[in-house]
Parts: sequence; C-alpha cells; structure tokens
Amino acid sequence: KNEVEQSPQNLTAQEGEFITINCSYSVGISALHWLQQHPGGGIVSLFMLSSGKKKHGRLIATINIQEKHSSLHITASHPRDSAVYICAAQGGFGNEKLTFGTGTRLTIIP
Amino acid sequence: DTAVSQTPKYLVTQMGNDKSIKCEQNLGHDTMYWYKQDSKKFLKIMFSYNNKELIINETVPNRFSPKSPDKAHLNLHINSLELGDSAVYFCASSPDRASGYTFGSGTRLTVV
Repeated sequence: KNEVEQSPQNLTAQEGEFITINCSYSVGISALHWLQQHPGGGIVSLFMLSSGKKKHGRLIATINIQEKHSSLHITASHPRDSAVYICAAQGGFGNEKLTFGTGTRLTIIP
Repeated sequence: DTAVSQTPKYLVTQMGNDKSIKCEQNLGHDTMYWYKQDSKKFLKIMFSYNNKELIINETVPNRFSPKSPDKAHLNLHINSLELGDSAVYFCASSPDRASGYTFGSGTRLTVV
C-alpha cells in the first residue's frame, strides 16, 4: 500500500463543473504539496500547506491533519485545467523528502 | 530566464553507456533534488543536496552518482545504463523546508 493515496485515479468532467481530488496519507508530515503536471510533462507546484486552507484563483486546497487527508478543489473547471494532479507528503524535520501519490488524471470536456 | 534548467531534454543511448544530466537553478535556492518518474508516471525521490552536501540518498543503484559542484548545480551521472533506467528525470529546487518546489522541465532518458 502506497503511503500516499489519491482518488480518483481518473476524472472526466464537463466544463464548469466543481472538481474535487482527494489525498490520504499514512506518514507523519510537515507539509502537503499539490502539483500539476501538464500533458507536455512539466511540473508546477500549486500549493504547499500544513494546516487549514489555501486559495489561488479557482483552486482551493484544504488539509485535515487529524484525519491525514487533503483535498484539491477546482471551481468553474475549464479545459485548460486538464492535467495530472499529484499530491506529495513532505516528511518531518531531518527527512524532508517528498513521497508522491500516484496522481489523478483530470480531463475537462468543453 | 529559466528558473531550473535541465539538459538535455531528451537522451537516447545504448545499454552499457555512461551519461550525465545537468541541472542548474538561478533562484538562489539552497536545496536541490533529483526525482525519477517511471513509465506509470509515478514520481520518486532519488537524491537531495543542501548547499552542496548530500542529505537524502534513497535506495538507488550506485551506478547513479549525483555531483554538486556548487549550490546552483546538481548533476546526475549514470554508469552502465540499463533498460530499466528509461524514465523521465526531474530536477527541482527549494529555498528551505517551509517553501514549495520549483521543477525543471525534465529529461526523458531512453535506453535501447
């Protein structure tokens, strides 16, 4: 069992829909990262959070430390949001490596 | 200006060869990383350097040797390449533990 699990693995939605991607982790963490990988392969860091909620444009990331769970939400989804979204758990002090989830492939249909 | 640049972008080579991938960041970050993304798109840490010092060395064959001549560069040298080394290799950097990562665009290595 992977230390970081994401669901769903694949998600197809219509343009405008509200999107939720979930991430659960079993390791102790100092932070949780959300990354976006476009079809061209490049990886962009979207959020790094250790508590609560962060918002950037139409993207919202939340984390519940007690439940070891994080969600990434996309409001008013658009075809350009189509990408693979990856969550990654950052270890605690002295072990800052990222452990990655398997990714969620999101496709937004116009 | 590219923040984290990797070269080459594509590398096709024969089994048994030795090759290097270079990474440079102009962000002034202290920590640099190498990640491997396999054919199933799963990312895994390989190495991490902080200010030229190795701090993370995951279970990677010793055919892989990172080299950091200064804190802006982290190169990856691979000896005796094998078919299973085919993957996309990403370099990344971060200023400190409390900050996000900046990734390079990746190097697609194909061993034939």
